[in-house]
Parts: sequence; structure tokens; C-alpha cells
Amino acid sequence: DIQMTQSPASLSASLGETVTIECRTSEDIYSNLAWYHQKPGNSPQLLIYDANSLADGVPSRFSGSGSGTQYSLKINSLQSEDVASYFCQQYNNYPYTFGAGTKLELK
Amino acid sequence: QVTLKESGPGILQPSQTLSLTCTFSGFSLSTYGMGVGWIRQPSGKGLEWLANIWWDDDKYYNPSLKNRLTISKDTSNNQAFLKITNVDTADTATYYCARELPGMDAWGQGASVTVSS
Repeated sequence: DIQMTQSPASLSASLGETVTIECRTSEDIYSNLAWYHQKPGNSPQLLIYDANSLADGVPSRFSGSGSGTQYSLKINSLQSEDVASYFCQQYNNYPYTFGAGTKLELK
Repeated sequence: QVTLKESGPGILQPSQTLSLTCTFSGFSLSTYGMGVGWIRQPSGKGLEWLANIWWDDDKYYNPSLKNRLTISKDTSNNQAFLKITNVDTADTATYYCARELPGMDAWGQGASVTVSS
């Protein structure tokens, strides 16, 4: 299985700040990576697919980048509604695997 | 508008078989490239991918569940199904179905399943 190492596990940031979440994979996944966020009590929601493509309806302050085994999600100008847990997921190999998650809180 | 909704038994006993149904609208599992996946999440924990099924009836499973999984679909009724045999308390979780494109772009609200004697 491809191992997903996501960091940091938790993050505290202020409104308007830029935050970055990293995801490292145990082997090359050729940009077959998605990012999701999950607000408390809700289902996960797709933010980014194919490492850097913005999903429909997702605000442009979210962006993804990376290649090979290193990927990142950036949130510009943090808003209160961005408080959530964030997960990366690879879909290059079966079984699909998820990162352990990053809990983003407001400072 | 794409929607998915999971349904399941809520509570079941160890060693029983868990049967879950995903009823969806806004797309067809007979359309080229479409897939539906199942993912679960124990309370307060992370996400675990379980299985998916594709428009051409290809199926893939997470080997960590050791052949306990069976996924199927009913294209005419817009449903996908997941069975997990011989459940135990470790299978207690919220179970989600999601459309796969790549990336899971639409998720159901989740079905809470508790395994308890």
C-alpha cells in the first residue's frame, strides 16, 4: 500500500493568513492526488483533484501543487468557514489511501 | 445535481453481515468513466477506503478487509451496494458512498453503523 504522511497534524492560524498543508507519499503517484476538507458533523468535500485542479464550486483561495511524492494544499486569506479537517488521498494505486488528516483551527 | 444517500441497519451484532445501500441521482453508473466508492470513518478518526465499482463492472477492494467485502450495483435503479461479512466491533463507523471521477466529487451524508452484542 502507498503510505501517506500528512503534516502538520494540527494547525492554528489567524483570519486572513495563508496556510499550507503537506502530503508526502511513499512512492511516486504521478499527481493522482486529491484534497478534501471535512467540517464537523459533515461529509468530506472535494477541494482539489489531479494535485492542482480546483473542484467545481471551490473558492479560488484554495490551490494545490506538487508532483512525484511531495504535494501541498495552500489556503490563501483564511476564512472562518475554512475551519475543518483536511485530508489528502492518492488514487494512483489500489488500495486508495488517505492521509491521517490536519485539523485547522482559528487562532 | 448529484446526490447520494447511504442506508444501512444502524446496529448489528458481531459475526453478522452488514449490508449497505447507496442510492444516487444526477448521474448513471452505466456512463463511461463513472464509479462509486465506499469509504468509512470511525468516530473521531480518519478515512479508510473500502471498495469501488465502475461503469464497466470492474471492482476493486481493500485487501486489509481480507475478502470480507462484496460490492455490486443495480444500474437501472441507480444503486450501489456493499456487504461486509463477519463484522466485529472494529467495523463500527460511519460509512460513506461517493462518486468517483477521479477524486470523489460528491459524497453521501453517511450511514452510522454500530456493531455491538
